[in-house]
Amino acid sequence: SQTIHQWPATLVQPVGSPLSLECTVEGTSNPNLYWYRQAAGRGLQLLFYSVGIGQISSEVPQNLSASRPQDRQFILSSKKLLLSDSGFYLCAWSPSAAFRNQPQHFGDGTRLSIL
Amino acid sequence: AQSVTQLGSHVSVSEGALVLLRCNYSSSVPPYLFWYVQYPNQGLQLLLKYTTGATLVKGINGFEAEFKKSETSFHLTKPSAHMSDAAEYFCAVSERSSYKLIFGSGTRLLVRP
Repeated sequence: SQTIHQWPATLVQPVGSPLSLECTVEGTSNPNLYWYRQAAGRGLQLLFYSVGIGQISSEVPQNLSASRPQDRQFILSSKKLLLSDSGFYLCAWSPSAAFRNQPQHFGDGTRLSIL
Repeated sequence: AQSVTQLGSHVSVSEGALVLLRCNYSSSVPPYLFWYVQYPNQGLQLLLKYTTGATLVKGINGFEAEFKKSETSFHLTKPSAHMSDAAEYFCAVSERSSYKLIFGSGTRLLVRP
């Protein structure tokens, strides 16, 4: 069966510091991968998605970037964190591009607090 | 652009009462439809989905949802609420040409003893 791992679970970082959040998927190949942010009391905002290695689509201009160095690895990064980057970050995967009616499956999230 | 509306940011029911969470979408072409549940400090868990076929869809934990094309709705119901159902619920749609999900703003379900 397929599993998704996200780490760390919680992170406290000072303003201006770098960020790296990692997500990996097991048990499937060539998944679509997604990064979302959920601000306190709000819905989900899609940040990035990827349909293959090295292919990244950005949904909103911001202080963050994403990379997909391997088929089942998705990394969210920032060079300098802002206070507004605080939130709950969720990684998700869905089956490959051929199956567009399939749901997304989510990791357990990373709670990021910027001080 | 596709949008999803969840009526009521908070819904409160008594234990044992009917749960009804509302979801409406904007597309003129029936999309794919999903309901997710999120417990505090956790990711989203898929409750059920509608893609094609039978319009009444059964999911996990006793939930079901009915796709009504004429009303562009996909409301979530459960006949009898349990305390463990207290969580946030998200409706999501995916256009048939897209890999992306559009989420509603969520409804927090409170279950009173």
